[in-house]
Amino acid sequence: QQPVQSPQAVILREGEDAVINCSSSKALYSVHWYRQKHGEAPVFLMILLKGGEQKGHEKISASFNEKKQQSSLYLTASQLSYSGTYFCGTEIFTGTASKLTFGTGTRLQVTL
Amino acid sequence: ETGVTQTPRHLVMGMTNKKSLKCEQHLGHNAMYWYKQSAKKPLELMFVYSLEERVENNSVPSRFSPECPNSSHLFLHLHTLQPEDSALYLCASSRQASEGYEQYFGPGTRLTVT
Repeated sequence: QQPVQSPQAVILREGEDAVINCSSSKALYSVHWYRQKHGEAPVFLMILLKGGEQKGHEKISASFNEKKQQSSLYLTASQLSYSGTYFCGTEIFTGTASKLTFGTGTRLQVTL
Repeated sequence: ETGVTQTPRHLVMGMTNKKSLKCEQHLGHNAMYWYKQSAKKPLELMFVYSLEERVENNSVPSRFSPECPNSSHLFLHLHTLQPEDSALYLCASSRQASEGYEQYFGPGTRLTVT
C-alpha cells in the first residue's frame, strides 16, 4: 500500500518555509525522499533509517517517527530551484530485495 | 558518460510491435530497477535485479520482459502492449538491493502505445 503524502501541492514565495508529510500504514525500515523536476529524472535527496541515521542533502532536513510510521521533509528559506514534485518512498526488505513504494507526490512551486 | 542513461528517450509503438528499452549505469552499482510512471499515479516498481539475478517481479504482465546481461546493463523487452501501458519508464540503480541505499534514476523513456 502506498504512503500518503500531504499536502498535494503548495505554492511558496522565495524565502518561505514548507513542510511535506509522508505517512504509511506499514512498519518501515527507512524512508527515502526524491525530487523530480518536470521532464527530468527523480533526484535523491535523503534517506532516513530506523534508529535515527540519515544520509543525504545538507541543506534539506527531515524527520522520521518510527512509531507513527511518519516522515516529514523540511524546506527552509526556499529557493526557486526547490520547485518540483517531491516523492517519499517507504522501504521494506522482502528477504531478497529492497522495495520502494512511492507516494503520489507533492508539487511545490516557488515564486519570486 | 556518467550516471544512468536510457535509450531511446521517446518511443511510439503499435500494439503488435516488439521493441526494447535500454538502460546503462556507469556507477559501479550492483542493483538495477525498472519503474513505471503514469500520469497522476505514483512511481510503480516493476522489477529488481541484484547482481544480474532478478530478485523481484512486482506482478508485472508477461508482455514486459526484463533482461540483465551484466550489472551495468538492463533491458525491458516489450511486445503486444496495450494503450494503458503508455507511460514514462524509469530505470534506476543502487549500490546494493539491500535496505538503506539511495537509488539513482535515469532520464526515462516516454512510451506511447497506439
